[in-house]
Amino acid sequence: DIQMTQSPSSLSASVGDRVTITCRASQSISSYLNWYQQKPGKAPKLLIYAASSFQSGVPSRFSGSGSGTDFTLTISSLQPEDFATYYCQQSYDTPWTFGQGTKVEI
Amino acid sequence: QVQLQESGPGLVKPSQTLSLTCTVSGDSISSASYYWSWIRQPAGKGLEWIGRVYTSGSTNYNPSLKDRVTISIDASKNQFSLKLSSVTAADTAVYYCARGGGPGFGYWGQGTLVTVSS
Repeated sequence: DIQMTQSPSSLSASVGDRVTITCRASQSISSYLNWYQQKPGKAPKLLIYAASSFQSGVPSRFSGSGSGTDFTLTISSLQPEDFATYYCQQSYDTPWTFGQGTKVEI
Repeated sequence: QVQLQESGPGLVKPSQTLSLTCTVSGDSISSASYYWSWIRQPAGKGLEWIGRVYTSGSTNYNPSLKDRVTISIDASKNQFSLKLSSVTAADTAVYYCARGGGPGFGYWGQGTLVTVSS
């Protein structure tokens, strides 16, 4: 299985901050990396697919980058509605696997 | 607008089989070339992909669950289903159905909590 490791596991930030979350794969996954946002009691929501492509309707303050084994999700200016848990997921090979999550707190 | 909705028992006894159905609306499960997946999330923990079924009916399962999992598709009802046998308390989780593939899971059901307990 391909292991996905996110860092940090949690972070505290303020509205307006620039936030960066990293995700590392245990082997190269090309650009088959997706990012999700999950709020309590809700299903995850796809933000970024193929490492850097925006899902329809996602605010432009979210961006993704990387390829191979190292990837980054950046929120350029944190908004109140962005406090949530973020997951990366590889779709390079089955079993598809997720990172352990990064909780963004106030 | 594509919508997915999970249904099934919320309580399953240990050693029995967990059965869930995902009903798809706004899209034909047989005409679109997508993977239809089940994903679960124990309380307070991360996401685990269980397996997927393609529109052709072909399947792939997570090896960690492979011997216990069956995912099938019923095109006539626009549904796909999950069966997980020999459940234990470790299978207690919120179970999600989702549509997606390489470009990620773009559509999810709301999730259904399944508790394994006697």
